[in-house]
Amino acid sequence: DGGITQSPKYLFRKEGQNVTLSCEQNLNHDAMYWYRQDPGQGLRLIYYSQIVNDFQKGDIAEGYSVSREKKESFPLTVTSAQKNPTAFYLCASSALSSYNEQFFGPGTRLTVL
Amino acid sequence: GENVEQHPSTLSVQEGDSAVIKCTYSDSASNYFPWYKQELGKRPQLIIDIRSNVGEKKDQRIAVTLNKTAKHFSLHITETQPEDSAVYFCAATTPSNDYKLSFGAGTTVTVRA
Repeated sequence: DGGITQSPKYLFRKEGQNVTLSCEQNLNHDAMYWYRQDPGQGLRLIYYSQIVNDFQKGDIAEGYSVSREKKESFPLTVTSAQKNPTAFYLCASSALSSYNEQFFGPGTRLTVL
Repeated sequence: GENVEQHPSTLSVQEGDSAVIKCTYSDSASNYFPWYKQELGKRPQLIIDIRSNVGEKKDQRIAVTLNKTAKHFSLHITETQPEDSAVYFCAATTPSNDYKLSFGAGTTVTVRA
């Protein structure tokens, strides 16, 4: 279903711990994105990458970090600096042009205990 | 950057009736407007999109209209069915903004049987 996967599906974290969310795609897409979804707030962009070894901050990058060492992979680390990390995290990918659909992964639900 | 506003936030319709969701955008250079449907706990999926050189697009029971002068676009669902119950997101993208999608806050549609 779209060729983009995320793991794990559910993740529990204690306060003060860093956690890394996985995102892999086999669609040969250049661009990858991380979104955070909270109830009633839609999708907010955390980070995005258009090419290997390069990435840009989105609207809510504070407390998060990413890497793009391979075209297929775009892991997101939620650091202890993120004050309210409990949310649903969605990864997406797309070809790099104006009219291309973003394909979403199934999401990871992170809960801080 | 682009700002997308979406109304209403919730919409309840009787099965068989029509549903209309409206979005406005701020950047006149935006040229691509997709609509995503997200069922509970699932990933968002593209249901229809429209480019800025087109005023209307239809796909079976769903249609999207675009008014570039007024900078708004709308999703129309006719003959609603229970399986249309979901959260719907509009989005807009601008080439000068790295092709990023700016999402509306979402509309929760409930179809009453």
